Order: sequence, then C-alpha cells, then structure tokens
Amino acid sequence: KAGVTQTPRYLIKTRGQQVTLSCSPISGHRSVSWYQQTPGQGLQFLFEYFSETQRNKGNFPGRFSGRQFSNSRSEMNVSTLELGDSALYLCASSLETGIYGYTFGSGTRLTVV
Amino acid sequence: KQEVTQIPAALSVPEGENLVLNCSFTDSAIYNLQWFRQDPGKGLTSLLLIQSSQREQTSGRLNASLDKSSGRSTLYIAASQPGDSATYLCAAPYEGYGQNFVFGPGTRLSVLP
Repeated sequence: KAGVTQTPRYLIKTRGQQVTLSCSPISGHRSVSWYQQTPGQGLQFLFEYFSETQRNKGNFPGRFSGRQFSNSRSEMNVSTLELGDSALYLCASSLETGIYGYTFGSGTRLTVV
Repeated sequence: KQEVTQIPAALSVPEGENLVLNCSFTDSAIYNLQWFRQDPGKGLTSLLLIQSSQREQTSGRLNASLDKSSGRSTLYIAASQPGDSATYLCAAPYEGYGQNFVFGPGTRLSVLP
C-alpha cells in the first residue's frame, strides 16, 4: 500500500514569504503529525491533527499553522518566513494517535534565503 | 514532561560486530516506544514498535527491549553491515499517552567494511 506522501520534496523561499507543505497519510490513517528537524534542535513536534481537529500543538510561534481535510490529507503553512525556519519538515501518520506507531514521509526540505 | 536521551551519540564499528544502542526516557507511563532509522537527508523508517505490555520485539537482525520500570530501551543489532550505517532514533509518547512522540537526539552509526 502507498506510504506517506509529502510534497514538494524541496523548496527555496525568500525571507518574509509564506509556504504551504502538503502531506497525504496512509489510506485509513486519521492522525497526522508534523515535525521540524534541524541539526541544532533535532526533531521537534509541531502539531497533530485527528479527524480534522488539532489535538495537540508544540511550542512554535503562531506563524506555523496547519489543517486537515476530510480525506485526512494535511497541510502545514508557515507565514513570514525567517532564516531559522530552514529545516526538514516531516509528516507522520497513524491509525489512532500513535497507538499503532507512526509512519513517516520522506519530508520536505525547506531552505529560506 | 517526557525527555528522551540516547547513548552513545556516535558509534563506529567494523563490519560483523554485534552492537547495542541505548535509549532512556523520564516518564515511564508510556503506551509504547518506537525505534527509527534515518539516512542522511531522508525521512524516518520505522524499525520496531514495542507496546508497553511487551518486553521485546524482533525483526531480522534487530532486537529491541523495553524496561519501563528503569526507563530504558535497547536496540541490539546483530552481525552489523555497512548498509546499517545511519542515525538511529528512539521515540516515546508525550505526557504518558500517544498524543505524539518525543524523540531522542539519535545515535549516528558507522559500520566500516
């Protein structure tokens, strides 16, 4: 079966712009979580959506937002990009909030210049 | 709050050696624990998921154990191969339930031919 699909794979944006990343979970998975990975901070939790509702949010500024659609696909938006937002953004899906573990996508590499 | 640490931070071994990677977590009220592998610039590949009711999980040359009382998990890799070279991460649930995972910093493994 198809895995977790993240698009695009690579992005280059300019400071001050905004960006939208997309994640399609495994079919039947209702939980989608987003993580930011940087060399200095490692993997940090952004937020989790379950059945179109945000169930949990990490310690990130309000410039980071997300949503989930009725087909469980999720988008993440970052507004007013800063250089420090350059990172690998990973999406993970699960049947039920991690009870059965998480499956990760290949990530979107965002570079802010 | 869940905190996860991993030792060693890096490990370099000759091909064929058996090795152990260690993971410690502060909140023992976990629902499960998951081990991942990450190749440079790539997403996370799930290796093993251990439910709280289990003590061990095995997949091929990999064996993971979980001791909730001591807050520890170990990943044992038998007969290591150069293809095992990657960063290995363990992840434990946040706030005692699988809302999302808190990741350790990882162990960077190099297996030399």
